[in-house]
Amino acid sequence: ETGVTQTPRHLVMGMTNKKSLKCEQHLGHNAMYWYKQSAKKPLELMFVYNFKEQTENNSVPSRFSPECPNSSHLFLHLHTLQPEDSALYLCASSQDWASGIRNEQFFGPGTRLTVL
Amino acid sequence: GIQVEQSPPDLILQEGANSTLRCNFSDSVNNLQWFHQNPWGQLINLFYIPSGTKQNGRLSATTVATERYSLLYISSSQTTDSGVYFCAVRGYGGSQGNLIFGKGTKLSVKP
Repeated sequence: ETGVTQTPRHLVMGMTNKKSLKCEQHLGHNAMYWYKQSAKKPLELMFVYNFKEQTENNSVPSRFSPECPNSSHLFLHLHTLQPEDSALYLCASSQDWASGIRNEQFFGPGTRLTVL
Repeated sequence: GIQVEQSPPDLILQEGANSTLRCNFSDSVNNLQWFHQNPWGQLINLFYIPSGTKQNGRLSATTVATERYSLLYISSSQTTDSGVYFCAVRGYGGSQGNLIFGKGTKLSVKP
C-alpha cells in the first residue's frame, strides 16, 4: 500500500450503531487529519493529531471520537449518529502540522457514510 | 480567519479547450495547494505552490503571494479533467497547520 488508505470505502449505519473508520498513512508523516465533506459545503476540518497528540478539535460533537495510537494510524469512532452526519469523511496526513515547515497534505480516498 | 474565494463556481468546456481557474485569499499564506476531486471523491494533489509558477504536463499554476491570488491553467482539456478543483491555503499564526479550503470550481469537460 502506498499513500493514505481508508477503510471502509462505504458505510451504511443506523442511528444506534457503533462503527469505526480507519485511516493509515505510508508516507512517514507525523500529522494526521479528519475532514468532513457534506453536499454543497466546503471541506470542514474535524480533528488534527500531531505526533499522536490531538492539537485541534473544531467543535465536533462527542458522537465522533478520534483515536491516534501511533503516527501511522488514525481512527474515527462513531456512535449514535444522526442522518445529517451522512457525508464523505476524508483522512489526510502531512509531514508536520507546525507552521513554517513544508506541510503539504495528502488525502485518502474517503469513506462515504450514510446514516439511516 | 483567512477567506478563500474560487471562481468561477462552475465551468463547462468542450474537449480540447483551455481554461483558467482563480483562487483569491484574504491574508498572507505560507502554504497553498491545488487539488482535483474526482467523481469518486478522491482528492488528488495537483500543486503545492505558496509562490511562483509550476508546470505538470497540461496543468500549470501560478501564485502571486503579494497580490493574494493563485491561478490554475488547464490546457487541451480532456473528459478525465472533469471534477471539482479546490484551492486550499494555510496562513501564519493561529491554527498553524490548518488548511482553509475554498468552495471549489466544478469543471465539466464535454466530448
